[in-house]
Amino acid sequence: AQSVTQLGSHVSVSEGALVLLRCNYSSSVPPYLFWYVQYPNQGLQLLLKYTTGATLVKGINGFEAEFKKSETSFHLTKPSAHMSDAAEYFCAVSQNTGFQKLVFGTGTRLLVSP
Amino acid sequence: ETGVTQTPRHLVMGMTNKKSLKCEQHLGHNAMYWYKQSAKKPLELMFVYNFKEQTENNSVPSRFSPECPNSSHLFLHLHTLQPEDSALYLCASSQDWQARSQGTEAFFGQGTRLTVV
Repeated sequence: AQSVTQLGSHVSVSEGALVLLRCNYSSSVPPYLFWYVQYPNQGLQLLLKYTTGATLVKGINGFEAEFKKSETSFHLTKPSAHMSDAAEYFCAVSQNTGFQKLVFGTGTRLLVSP
Repeated sequence: ETGVTQTPRHLVMGMTNKKSLKCEQHLGHNAMYWYKQSAKKPLELMFVYNFKEQTENNSVPSRFSPECPNSSHLFLHLHTLQPEDSALYLCASSQDWQARSQGTEAFFGQGTRLTVV
């Protein structure tokens, strides 16, 4: 069975500081990995995804994530936080076994202070 | 505009009421999903439909009844709910299994905030 662990339910950074949101996964087969963002009262929006190929993935809004198989990690980073980045972020894993069924982590709320 | 529209956005219902949630996607996808998002819990997959056929039911209580009349529409019929069913219900869609090699993502609607009183 697949699972996702997001370390830290809340992360606080200052505007302009590095953002690092941690995600570790468990999967018996090569995983597909995703990061989604949810703004207040909104649905989930895809930030980026890893399927195959290059392990450093660039997404929207300046975010990127690196797939590290040896560490079973897929941490999300952004060099410089902006106030508009304040939201909840979800890491998810799926198997390439048919339909797109995502297993989500519990989410990390990013707080950005001026 | 996400391409997936859910109505209503907010719903308050009593435990004896019957109501329905609606989801519509304009993305040409063939798979649709219902997720439940409760506070401090991971998103829970409830139902999966592919080409209008239900392919997954994650042990969801029978007080939740899904319906998928075509690939563009998905409903969740609710009856005799409990207060613990209060949550954000998210609908999503994606391409069908034939596109799985591309790792296609799911596109989500904005959700229906359900409160059971």
